[in-house]
Amino acid sequence: AQSVSQHNHHVILSEAASLELGCNYSYGGTVNLFWYVQYPGQHLQLLLKYFSGDPLVKGIKGFEAEFIKSKFSFNLRKPSVQWSDTAEYFCAVRVTNAGKSTFGDGTTLTVKP
Amino acid sequence: DAGVIQSPRHEVTEMGQEVTLRCKPISGHNSLFWYRQTMMRGLELLIYFNNNVPIDDSGMPEDRFSAKMPNASFSTLKIQPSEPRDSAVYFCASSLAAAAPLHFGNGTRLTVT
Repeated sequence: AQSVSQHNHHVILSEAASLELGCNYSYGGTVNLFWYVQYPGQHLQLLLKYFSGDPLVKGIKGFEAEFIKSKFSFNLRKPSVQWSDTAEYFCAVRVTNAGKSTFGDGTTLTVKP
Repeated sequence: DAGVIQSPRHEVTEMGQEVTLRCKPISGHNSLFWYRQTMMRGLELLIYFNNNVPIDDSGMPEDRFSAKMPNASFSTLKIQPSEPRDSAVYFCASSLAAAAPLHFGNGTRLTVT
């Protein structure tokens, strides 16, 4: 069974700082990769996804993620965070053509104004 | 597109009572998922359906939990009898296809006293 590991449980940054959240998965086959964001008191929303092709994918709100197959990683990045990026971020893996997604434990990002 | 609709938004009940959570997936989506989110355990997949058929219920905690999907536009998650440790936010999500991103509902915050 696949598993997802998010290394940082809680990240605190000042506005304009650069962000990188780590995500590693364990599965030997082809996967689809996702980052979801959950703003305080809200439901999870899709931030970006990788299915195939260019391993550098761009999502909403200036976020991007890079799939490095050799490292089984899909790290999330943003060059300059804003206070409104304060949220919890979840990495998820879905085996291609399988039903369920496996989520990491989430990383809480706090951006100080 | 109304999104995934869950009801109720909040439920407060006493231990031992039956609780029924409801979900209406996005029209046309053929996969439906029930997740539970707590501070201690994060986001856990309870069960998922594909074309109204339960595919994987290995995440259902115990026999007190049951889920049904009588048709493509409605699903229920029932807890009977409820216990305080069931207190959590329960999310329903749907997706268009096996590899597609999940669309989450706003969740039901369940408190069992």
